[in-house]
Amino acid sequence: DAGITQSPRYKITETGRQVTLMCHQTWSHSYMFWYRQDLGHGLRLIYYSAAADITDKGEVPDGYVVSRSKTENFPLTLESATRSQTSVYFCASTRGGNYGYTFGSGTRLTVV
Amino acid sequence: DQQVKQNSPSLSVQEGRISILNCDYTNSMFDYFLWYKKYPAEGPTFLISISSIKDKNEDGRFTVFLNKSAKHLSLHIVPSQPGDSAVYFCAASGGQNFVFGPGTRLSVLP
Repeated sequence: DAGITQSPRYKITETGRQVTLMCHQTWSHSYMFWYRQDLGHGLRLIYYSAAADITDKGEVPDGYVVSRSKTENFPLTLESATRSQTSVYFCASTRGGNYGYTFGSGTRLTVV
Repeated sequence: DQQVKQNSPSLSVQEGRISILNCDYTNSMFDYFLWYKKYPAEGPTFLISISSIKDKNEDGRFTVFLNKSAKHLSLHIVPSQPGDSAVYFCAASGGQNFVFGPGTRLSVLP
């Protein structure tokens, strides 16, 4: 199916564990993004990528790692999860310029 | 410091009336603006956009107004419907990534 998909939808993990959130898009959009949504903060940019093998930090990158070996995939890894990383994570993509972003359905991550 | 502000965390409106959601920005380089709507357990979806060369853009029940001198934009929904109940995000761009506001939760009461 065409679109942008995130997996898993829900994840519970323990403090200190590594966890990877997956994002896959089928449009061959150049740009992909990871946001976290927290009450009172809205959507905050974690990392973004302008193309395969090109990534850059957003507003809140600490504790996260990304990679983009293929255009269609943009995984987000929490190297050592902390409770403050409990959040809803959204992946988005766009062809660039002033084209709006298309968002995935989100991953709700709980760190206990 | 937030570059895009939505100072009303929530808004309640009666069905059939007008909903007005406000957004302020601080970066004068922003020249393109978007509104997104988000339902619970779903990703945000694009609603309407406006370029800085315009001061109004209309799409059905949704109209966005831009006041560049005041660095202010607003989203009008007329008439409001219960299905419009959602969180609305304002986003702004100056040619790079879009910066999102914190959102306003709209509740349309039947």
